[in-house]
Amino acid sequence: AQKITQTQPGMFVQEKEAVTLDCTYDTSDPSYGLFWYKQPSSGEMIFLIYQGSYDQQNATEGRYSLNFQKARKSANLVISASQLGDSAMYFCAMREGDGGFKTIFGAGTRLFVKA
Amino acid sequence: DGGITQSPKYLFRKEGQNVTLSCEQNLNHDAMYWYRQDPGQGLRLIYYSQIVNDFQKGDIAEGYSVSREKKESFPLTVTSAQKNPTAFYLCASSPTGAPANYGYTFGSGTRLTVV
Repeated sequence: AQKITQTQPGMFVQEKEAVTLDCTYDTSDPSYGLFWYKQPSSGEMIFLIYQGSYDQQNATEGRYSLNFQKARKSANLVISASQLGDSAMYFCAMREGDGGFKTIFGAGTRLFVKA
Repeated sequence: DGGITQSPKYLFRKEGQNVTLSCEQNLNHDAMYWYRQDPGQGLRLIYYSQIVNDFQKGDIAEGYSVSREKKESFPLTVTSAQKNPTAFYLCASSPTGAPANYGYTFGSGTRLTVV
C-alpha cells in the first residue's frame, strides 16, 4: 500500500538560511507523482512543487527545490533563503499512476523561521 | 478570481445532529475532493468525485455522505453516525485530464466542533 512518511514534527531555521524537510514514500506503482504543499495558519493548502517518478532532474520552483532520490524513495523539500513568511505546515503527498485521482498525504512538518 | 469557497469557516454541532459543509468552485474543474485533517495525522480522503452525479468513497467514508448534482458544488454531510467528527475539513478540486504535475486547488477549510 502506498504511504508517505514525514519524520520531523517540527523544524527551526534561521531567517535567510536553507532548510531541508524530509519525506519518504512507499509505493509499488512505477508511475507516481510527488507533491509538496504549504499550509499557513489560515488553513488553505498551497501547492508548491511537483516531481514525477520518471523525471530525470530534480524539480525547482523559485526558492523551492525537491531532492529526489528514487532508489531511497525520498523526496525532500529544500527551501533556500528562508523568510519569516515560510513559517507554516508543510505536507508531502503522492499520487499514483498517470492521471490518478487519489492523493495521499504525510503527517506534515511544522517549520518555524526565526528572525 | 477563480477559486474554491468553503462555508462556514467555523461550525458547531451538537451530538446526534447531521451537518452539511458547503464547497463551491468556479474553476470549471471536473474533479472534487473532501479531506479531513486531524492534528499529527495529515490529510485523509473522505470522498471524491470525478464527474457530476458520480462519486467514490475514500479511505474514511464511514459516517459521511456527499452529492454532486452540479459541477460547481460538492457538499459534505457529516452524519450522526460519524463517531468523532471534530476536525478540520478541506475541499479541493482539479481538472480532469490535467498534466500529472497539476496540484490540487484547496479551499480555506471548515473547522467543525462537536459540543
